[in-house]
Amino acid sequence: DAGVIQSPRHEVTEMGQEVTLRCKPISGHNSLFWYRQTMMRGLELLIYFNNNVPIDDSGMPEDRFSAKMPNASFSTLKIQPSEPRDSAVYFCASSFDRAEDNEKLLFGSGTQLSVL
Amino acid sequence: QKEVEQNSGPLSVPEGAIASLNCTYSDRGSQSFFWYRQYSGKSPELIMFIYSNGDKEDGRFTAQLNKASQYVSLLIRDSQPSDSATYLCAVNTGGFKTIFGAGTRLFVKA
Repeated sequence: DAGVIQSPRHEVTEMGQEVTLRCKPISGHNSLFWYRQTMMRGLELLIYFNNNVPIDDSGMPEDRFSAKMPNASFSTLKIQPSEPRDSAVYFCASSFDRAEDNEKLLFGSGTQLSVL
Repeated sequence: QKEVEQNSGPLSVPEGAIASLNCTYSDRGSQSFFWYRQYSGKSPELIMFIYSNGDKEDGRFTAQLNKASQYVSLLIRDSQPSDSATYLCAVNTGGFKTIFGAGTRLFVKA
């Protein structure tokens, strides 16, 4: 398996623009997580899905952030409008919902977002 | 109070020494504990997990858990320069929710 695939690897945009980050989880994994990492705040959980259903989005910072998982093999994280403070590395991770496996996260390579 | 606390370091040890990384957590009901390694510019990678009090060994790595003290540690024996990375302590607080500490930077000097 190719692992968790994220795109794009790098995104540079201007303040106010819409940004869409994409994630393909590992085939067969039914839990998907979006994390954001910054120097100041570390790795923060934004939202997680189980069987394509959002379970907890309490980490989503503002209404400008939204996430969807239309099917088992694809998820998006959208920021509209983007702001400079959204600059961070955004990681997608997936896990297999089976005893002792569902907590072991496999991370994608991340998207480095810079909002100017 | 942060939910998962780690000393940010950097922790510097000579090659061949034992590196000791520590972590405390606030949610007493937490059941699952993890250590991830993150090289600079890369994504976190799971290296150890522990569920029960005591020690768990895997090669050069030993994870230690003390639920009464809400304390988790990672020992790296015979440290190598390739172990230089940031080590993230992670705690599952229930269901699917895993919270990460800020990480400890480790430097192993050749």
